[in-house]
Amino acid sequence: KQEVTQIPAALSVPEGENLVLNCSFTDSAIYNLQWFRQDPGKGLTSLLLIQSSQREQTSGRLNASLDKSSGRSTLYIAASQPGDSATYLCAVRHSGRSQGNLIFGKGTKLSVKP
Amino acid sequence: DGGITQSPKYLFRKEGQNVTLSCEQNLNHDAMYWYRQDPGQGLRLIYYSQIVNDFQKGDIAEGYSVSREKKESFPLTVTSAQKNPTAFYLCASGDRPNTGELFFGEGSRLTVL
Repeated sequence: KQEVTQIPAALSVPEGENLVLNCSFTDSAIYNLQWFRQDPGKGLTSLLLIQSSQREQTSGRLNASLDKSSGRSTLYIAASQPGDSATYLCAVRHSGRSQGNLIFGKGTKLSVKP
Repeated sequence: DGGITQSPKYLFRKEGQNVTLSCEQNLNHDAMYWYRQDPGQGLRLIYYSQIVNDFQKGDIAEGYSVSREKKESFPLTVTSAQKNPTAFYLCASGDRPNTGELFFGEGSRLTVL
């Protein structure tokens, strides 16, 4: 059974720092991996989607990498800003029969201090 | 604007009552999903539908029901059989069979009094 783990559960950094959020998964047979952002009391906003054949994706100050063989993905945020404060979730989609379902990690709560 | 609309945003229910949460999308996606989010537990899949008139149970379907009569709509009914219904409910639609990317609505918070 696929399990997704995000460490750390919470992270506090000063404004301007570059930071890395980690996501690990137990089954490397994935179809894709998606990073989301969630603000308190809100829905999830898709940040980056990495297909299983890709190694990384970039959007603005965000860069996500994928290493299927080691079961890891990282989300790199450059020059962090207070507006980046949110919970970041990663989710993997299995490549098998249950292709419809995403398995989520519990998220990393990021706080960027001005 | 294209997107996913959930309503109501907040809902209060007395024990023993059924309630229905609405989810509408205009993204022309075939796949739609319902997730439940509880503090410290992450998102758990309730039901999903990959095509009109078809849906599958997720990990925690007991006490819930859905229908998929139209491509745009995937309502979720929380029945009185659901023992702990107070939670944040999230609807999503998926860009299958293309990228497989998932897009979410703003959520509905259900509180049982």
